[in-house]
Amino acid sequence: GAVVSQHPSWVICKSGTSVKIECRSLDFQATTMFWYRQFPKQSLMLMATSNEGSKATYEQGVEKDKFLINHASLTLSTLTVTSAHPEDSSFYICSARDSGHHNEKLFFGSGTQLSVL
Amino acid sequence: KQEVTQIPAALSVPEGENLVLNCSFTDSAIYNLQWFRQDPGKGLTSLLLIQSSQREQTSGRLNASLDKSSGRSTLYIAASQPGDSATYLCAVPFSGGYNKLIFGAGTRLAVHP
Repeated sequence: GAVVSQHPSWVICKSGTSVKIECRSLDFQATTMFWYRQFPKQSLMLMATSNEGSKATYEQGVEKDKFLINHASLTLSTLTVTSAHPEDSSFYICSARDSGHHNEKLFFGSGTQLSVL
Repeated sequence: KQEVTQIPAALSVPEGENLVLNCSFTDSAIYNLQWFRQDPGKGLTSLLLIQSSQREQTSGRLNASLDKSSGRSTLYIAASQPGDSATYLCAVPFSGGYNKLIFGAGTRLAVHP
């Protein structure tokens, strides 16, 4: 099946620094990717939709200036958490669908655990 | 607004038992429903996808059913094994599409030898 690679798996940073998370589709092209966030013992919540070659669309309540999304190619989307604070500590996970096939299955990366000190 | 609820929140069973995990959703106009498995600190693995026109899907020891009219889906796990221990999530798409998903909070399953 299709593989989505997410990097890094975990990151610890100081408050105020920025952290970049990469999401790559390894064997397929994805014009659209999705970023989710999961707090401990809670469900995954959609943050934003990453669109190749255009601006991302953000869900209500998600600060676009804080969570910068770039989707510069058909296989790579990045999420940058700017000026991270302890409340941004969470599990971030991306997903993508193969644009070249009419397949409704979404494939997920392995996630990134962010801890902000 | 679509809401997805999963019951029970946690389940601990001895190996070999047959299990039923429940998922309910408030808006029955769904495009499909997916069941995922999530291991601690890891990503999601898609287990089964049921189209809105389907009643059930099977994969190995897993069987998922869908009753759109009542807003319910069940995941049946036969002859549970310790390796089945994980969190099981169900998800339905946002209205109007099938790419963006709304997830339930999950059922944390522990199967002990």
